[in-house]
Formats: sequence, C-alpha cells, structure tokens
Amino acid sequence: AQSVTQLGSHVSVSEGALVLLRCNYSSSVPPYLFWYVQYPNQGLQLLLKYTTGATLVKGINGFEAEFKKSETSFHLTKPSAHMSDAAEYFCAVSDMDSSYKLIFGSGTRLLVRP
Amino acid sequence: DVKVTQSSRYLVKRTGEKVFLECVQDMDHENMFWYRQDPGLGLRLIYFSYDVKMKEKGDIPEGYSVSREKKERFSLILESASTNQTSMYLCASSSDGQGSGNEQFFGPGTRLTVL
Repeated sequence: AQSVTQLGSHVSVSEGALVLLRCNYSSSVPPYLFWYVQYPNQGLQLLLKYTTGATLVKGINGFEAEFKKSETSFHLTKPSAHMSDAAEYFCAVSDMDSSYKLIFGSGTRLLVRP
Repeated sequence: DVKVTQSSRYLVKRTGEKVFLECVQDMDHENMFWYRQDPGLGLRLIYFSYDVKMKEKGDIPEGYSVSREKKERFSLILESASTNQTSMYLCASSSDGQGSGNEQFFGPGTRLTVL
C-alpha cells in the first residue's frame, strides 16, 4: 500500500529563515503530489500541486516544491518565513489504486519564532 | 471559486445520540469525502462517494454511515455517538475532470465533542 512520510511533526524556524518541510512517498509510478496548509480551526487549503510537466512547482504565499522521482520526494520550501506561515502542513499523493482518493501524511506543524 | 460548506463549526452531543453532519459543495463535483482529523494521526478517510447514492468505505468506517441523495450534498451519520468520536470532521470534494489530479477541496471542518 502507498504511504506518505513527513519527517518531523514539528518544525521551528526564525522569522526570515528558510522553511524546509520534508515529504517522501512510496510509489512505483510517479503520482500526483500535493501540499495543503491548515490554519487553526480551519479546513485544508491547497498550497500547490504537481501533476505533470515541470518538476519545480510554485504555489501560493511564496512556497514551492520540487518533485524528485529518484528520491521519491516532494519537499516544500520557502526562502523566508513569515509569522503568518505558522500552520500545519500536509503532504498528499494520489492513490494509484483508486482514481478518487488521496493519501495524506501525518502533518508537520510549522512554528515561526519572532 | 469552489465552495464546500459544513453545517456546523462546533457541535456538542451526548453519548448515544444520533448525529448528522452535513456537507454541501457548489461546483458539481462527482466525488465527496468525509475525514476525521486527530492530533498526530493526520487525516483518516471515513467514507467517500463517487456518485449519487454510491458510497465506499474508507479506512475507519466503523460507527459511521453516510448518505448521498443529491450530487451536491453528502451527510455523515453517527448512529450512536461515543466519546471516542470526539474529533474534527472534514468534508472534501473533487472532480473527475482531466488534469484535476484528484485535487480535493475542503470545507472549514466541524469540531464535534461527545460528552
């Protein structure tokens, strides 16, 4: 069965520092890949997605992610963290056994220190 | 913009009560989903529906049922609420369209507390 691993349930960075949130997936076929963000007491909002084409994907709020097939990774980065980036981030991959479902990682909570 | 709405943001119920959580989407999406979210466990799929009156069990269907009588509406039912069903419940929808890549659009969530 496919799985998604997010390294680190909590990541803490200083304001202005690089943000790096890690995501690895298990799949023999390149899947569709997603990053979602969840602010407190809200639903999930799509940050960016990779379906086909360019492997470096740019999303909202200055985030980007790079699909690396050889490493089965889709890490999320942002050059300079803002206080408003504090939230929980979920990586997800399409389920190759089902054309409908996504498989989510367990989430990484990003803390931004002033 | 796609909009997914959920009937309540916060809900408090008593053990043994029958609970209905409603979800409505306005983008004519074929697929709808119910998840529960608990700290450290991420999102776990309860049920999903790929068409009106069609449903499939997700990873944790026990203690839940669903109903989809109309394309835009997907209801989650707790037949007899228990304290271990206290959680955040998220509804989502997605399109079968080419290029959508299974992207799901989420509602704001319902935080259910069972006393």
